Amino acid sequence: DAGVTQSPTHLIKTRGQQVTLRCSPKSGHDTVSWYQQALGQGPQFIFQYYEEEERQRGNFPDRFSGHQFPNYSSELNVNALLLGDSALYLCASSFGRGIGYTFGSGTRLTVV
Amino acid sequence: GIQVEQSPPDLILQEGANSTLRCNFSDSVNNLQWFHQNPWGQLINLFYIPSGTKQNGRLSATTVATERYSLLYISSSQTTDSGVYFCAVERGRDDKIIFGKGTRLHILP
Repeated sequence: DAGVTQSPTHLIKTRGQQVTLRCSPKSGHDTVSWYQQALGQGPQFIFQYYEEEERQRGNFPDRFSGHQFPNYSSELNVNALLLGDSALYLCASSFGRGIGYTFGSGTRLTVV
Repeated sequence: GIQVEQSPPDLILQEGANSTLRCNFSDSVNNLQWFHQNPWGQLINLFYIPSGTKQNGRLSATTVATERYSLLYISSSQTTDSGVYFCAVERGRDDKIIFGKGTRLHILP
């Protein structure tokens, strides 16, 4: 039974560019949450998707957007990248509302 | 919003030693979790423990919800226990998870 799969594992982008990160949830899970983890910090909640809609959002600007597909997979898009967007981006899936969180290994984004 | 504070921020121990990690939170919570993040970034859930005590092998956790703190105990530490330990809380059943800044644990051989 595959866990949460994220792609790519590493990514280098230039300031001002746009990036798309992808997440496939654990089998049987229908909810996907995204977190940003800066170096030396705990993960910060970006948003959560359930039934293809954004259900909750953390304190992140509109440059951060997402999508959930009918197969429950999800994308995180970041526009107009800033140096400060460099971080590990973690995806977590769960069944229903926060039950049984499982995290992926993350995508490490470096903005230069 | 709710604040989650973890202590100590860093801990260096010799293999075989025991350790206690603490998590304080500023408001009542619906759930509390302890995670271990390995050097490759993978977050592994150790315990769901909104109250009471649980044990899993060399690890155990206790949450005293009325006093708003939780403790994670690691006994007979091994080098594979190294990494960052996070405490994370949920205010309500549908709420997002809020993480502390973590405790970085180094176990020396």
